[in-house]
Amino acid sequence: EIVMTQSPATLSVSPGERATLSCRASQSVSTKLAWYRQKPGQAPRLLIYGASTRATGIPARFGGSGSGTEFTLTISSLQSEDFAVYYCQQYYNWPPLTFGGGTKVEIK
Amino acid sequence: EVQLLESGGGLVQPGGSLRLSCAGSGFTFSSYAMAWVRQAPGKGLEWVSTISGNGGSRYYADSVKGRFTISRDNSKNTLYLQMNSLRADDTAVYYCAKDLHYDSSGYYYEGCFDYWGQGNLVTVSS
Repeated sequence: EIVMTQSPATLSVSPGERATLSCRASQSVSTKLAWYRQKPGQAPRLLIYGASTRATGIPARFGGSGSGTEFTLTISSLQSEDFAVYYCQQYYNWPPLTFGGGTKVEIK
Repeated sequence: EVQLLESGGGLVQPGGSLRLSCAGSGFTFSSYAMAWVRQAPGKGLEWVSTISGNGGSRYYADSVKGRFTISRDNSKNTLYLQMNSLRADDTAVYYCAKDLHYDSSGYYYEGCFDYWGQGNLVTVSS
């Protein structure tokens, strides 16, 4: 099973500032890496797939990078709706599909 | 507009059974793999099961293998999760999710999810 590890667990950022979230895989997942945002009480929403491709309707302030075992999600200028929990997920070698433990982005 | 509408959750005693349903609309249901993902209270996301678009391939997490069965009825555009021998640690919000990739044969799938249902709480408690 591929273990996904996200850091930090919590990130405190001011509105309008840049946020950088990390995700590490226990073995290579090539670029089969997705990022989701989950607001409180809501279902997750796909932001990025293929490590760097924005999903339909996702604004350009979201950027994904990385390959192999190290990945980054960057939010260039945090908006109010971006204060949420973010999950990475690998879909390179499954079953099982595996998610990271999440990074909570909170208002500083 | 893609919509996934879940139903069937609720309170069940340990050892009991429950069936979740997820009705899809706004897309060619049979051309997409579908999945169930759950989230225990205050916890992260856990993949449960995936079924291919044509229903010919099914995959399960070890934690539910032998107890849960995923199925689909493409004539009704509906996904199911039959849950038997439920345990307290199955308590979670269960989401159905649509695979990202389209495949007219219903065979190919990717494993990431572009649309999710609203979630359905399953509580296993005596």
